[in-house]
Amino acid sequence: DADVTQTPRNRITKTGKRIMLECSQTKGHDRMYWYRQDPGLGLRLIYYSFDVKDINKGEISDGYSVSRQAQAKFSLSLESAIPNQTALYFCATSDSPAGGINEQFFGPGTRLTVL
Amino acid sequence: GENVEQHPSTLSVQEGDSAVIKCTYSDSASNYFPWYKQELGKRPQLIIDIRSNVGEKKDQRIAVTLNKTAKHFSLHITETQPEDSAVYFCAARSGGYQKVTFGTGTKLQVIP
Repeated sequence: DADVTQTPRNRITKTGKRIMLECSQTKGHDRMYWYRQDPGLGLRLIYYSFDVKDINKGEISDGYSVSRQAQAKFSLSLESAIPNQTALYFCATSDSPAGGINEQFFGPGTRLTVL
Repeated sequence: GENVEQHPSTLSVQEGDSAVIKCTYSDSASNYFPWYKQELGKRPQLIIDIRSNVGEKKDQRIAVTLNKTAKHFSLHITETQPEDSAVYFCAARSGGYQKVTFGTGTKLQVIP
């Protein structure tokens, strides 16, 4: 089945370290997203990309960067991790809206802990 | 940008009762309103959605209503079952930027 995968699934790192979270999809979707989930704050958009040459900041992009290496791959980097970046990170994909519908398909999530 | 508020943050109901979750949005240009369900330890998944040209949509025990004038929309779950226990997120898609803004989530507990 076409799916969205994330690696790693869990990661513990130290303050100041650089870390990369990777997302791959076999759905053939053009659009990819990175969210973080914190208790009580819902899903907040970090970055999104509508095609390989398109990168856009979301509502909480400070401290993060992304790379869209191919249609199927979208990576999120923390250049110098800090403890308040401890969260559950989700990658998501969607097709271009068809008939106004724009379902997002989420990966399994990466639980990141910054000590 | 779009701002989506969701209430309540937690909701407990007896099995068989109904549950209602309410959301408001700020951008009058928003035109698509999905609802996602996230079971414990799982990824969010779409359960129902509605476009701005529709006032109500039903799918078995769940329904969504939209009031464009008041800029609010609601999720209704009837005859709740223990497997309905999860966190539910509403969202709104801004027509201009085509990106989705999520609410803060409602943790629903269905008590057997």
